[in-house]
Amino acid sequence: GDSVTQTEGLVTVTEGLPVKLNCTYQTTYLTIAFFWYVQYLNEAPQVLLRSSTDNKRTEHQGFHATLHKSSSSFHLQKSSAQLSDSALYYCALSEGTGYQNFYFGKGTSLTVIP
Amino acid sequence: DMKVTQMPRYLIKRMGENVLLECGQDMSHETMYWYRQDPGLGLQLIYISYDVDSNSEGDIPKGYRVSRKKREHFSLILDSAKTNQTSVYFCASSPGNQDTQYFGPGTRLLVL
Repeated sequence: GDSVTQTEGLVTVTEGLPVKLNCTYQTTYLTIAFFWYVQYLNEAPQVLLRSSTDNKRTEHQGFHATLHKSSSSFHLQKSSAQLSDSALYYCALSEGTGYQNFYFGKGTSLTVIP
Repeated sequence: DMKVTQMPRYLIKRMGENVLLECGQDMSHETMYWYRQDPGLGLQLIYISYDVDSNSEGDIPKGYRVSRKKREHFSLILDSAKTNQTSVYFCASSPGNQDTQYFGPGTRLLVL
């Protein structure tokens, strides 16, 4: 079945340095959409990025991600991490059969230190 | 403004008691979800509802059941709660067609 893998459970980065959170996937569907969700402490997950176009960069709030179907990846990156970026990040895919089945990775906890 | 609501926000129950978690959305979304979130395990899908009275088990349905009699309302029921059902429960909704899921604020359930 479909699956999303986030290899790092915990990532720590120094403020001002770049950060990359990895996300790979496995799916049999041709029509898929990808998401990055961010969850701040004691809050609900909220969408950060969405993409369904291969090789197109998507940006929001300083973060960017590019869907690469050739490598089954949708990594999240930021050139300069901020203290306020500390949160839990989920990668997710939604398959396009007409139903709205979502598959979430297990999440990566990002901590930005001064 | 798109909104998903959850009631109650905090709940303490004793083992063996019944639990009712309520979720509402004002966006006429067809699809709604119930997840639980535990440290290190991420978001685990309990049930998905594609519309009124059209519900499907998720990855961890055991010990839970759901009810959806109106499109805007989706309930999660725990019959005879167990201590291992202590968790944070999130409801979400989506308009379909690979569109974004919108999450409610969550319910923190403690089963003693």
